[in-house]
Amino acid sequence: GAVVSQHPSWVICKSGTSVKIECRSLDFQATTMFWYRQFPKQSLMLMATSNEGSKATYEQGVEKDKFLINHASLTLSTLTVTSAHPEDSSFYICSASSGSSYNEQFFGPGTRLTVL
Amino acid sequence: GDSVTQMEGPVTLSEEAFLTINCTYTATGYPSLFWYVQYPGEGLQLLLKATKADDKGSNKGFEATYRKETTSFHLEKGSVQVSDSAVYFCALFQAGTALIFGKGTTLSVSS
Repeated sequence: GAVVSQHPSWVICKSGTSVKIECRSLDFQATTMFWYRQFPKQSLMLMATSNEGSKATYEQGVEKDKFLINHASLTLSTLTVTSAHPEDSSFYICSASSGSSYNEQFFGPGTRLTVL
Repeated sequence: GDSVTQMEGPVTLSEEAFLTINCTYTATGYPSLFWYVQYPGEGLQLLLKATKADDKGSNKGFEATYRKETTSFHLEKGSVQVSDSAVYFCALFQAGTALIFGKGTTLSVSS
């Protein structure tokens, strides 16, 4: 099946710094990419949906100025956590879709962010 | 709003045991239902799906039946293997919305 990678797989940073997470579709063109956040023992919560070349659509309650999403190409989307704080520590997962159908959504392995 | 509830784990079984992971949902319309699996260190993978009532999704020996009357989509497998150890997520989707996931159930199978 289609492969989606994330980098880094885990990152530790100091409070107040910014962290960028990359999501790449390795063998297909992703017109839509999704960013999820998962807290321990919680379900995946959709943060935002991005279409290549367009501004991301954020879910209610997600601060767009804190979680900057860029989908500059059909194979790459980035999530930047700006001025990270300990409460931003979480597992961030991206997925990519080559179409509008839900069943074409392929998931990356996730990035563990720890903010000290 | 729409939601998915699945049994909390971890579920610990011996090899060749029967597996059931319960999943129920709340939705206003007619959602499609999914089971995703996440093996250690890997991303979520679609395991099976059902798009309408009474549909049965099946894959790799796993199956689940879309029961509208009980709003359920329980995952079953007749004989689990050690390689089935993973986290299983139930999810639903309706047009115009995003995938909604349950909290995940960890399955651990020992030989």
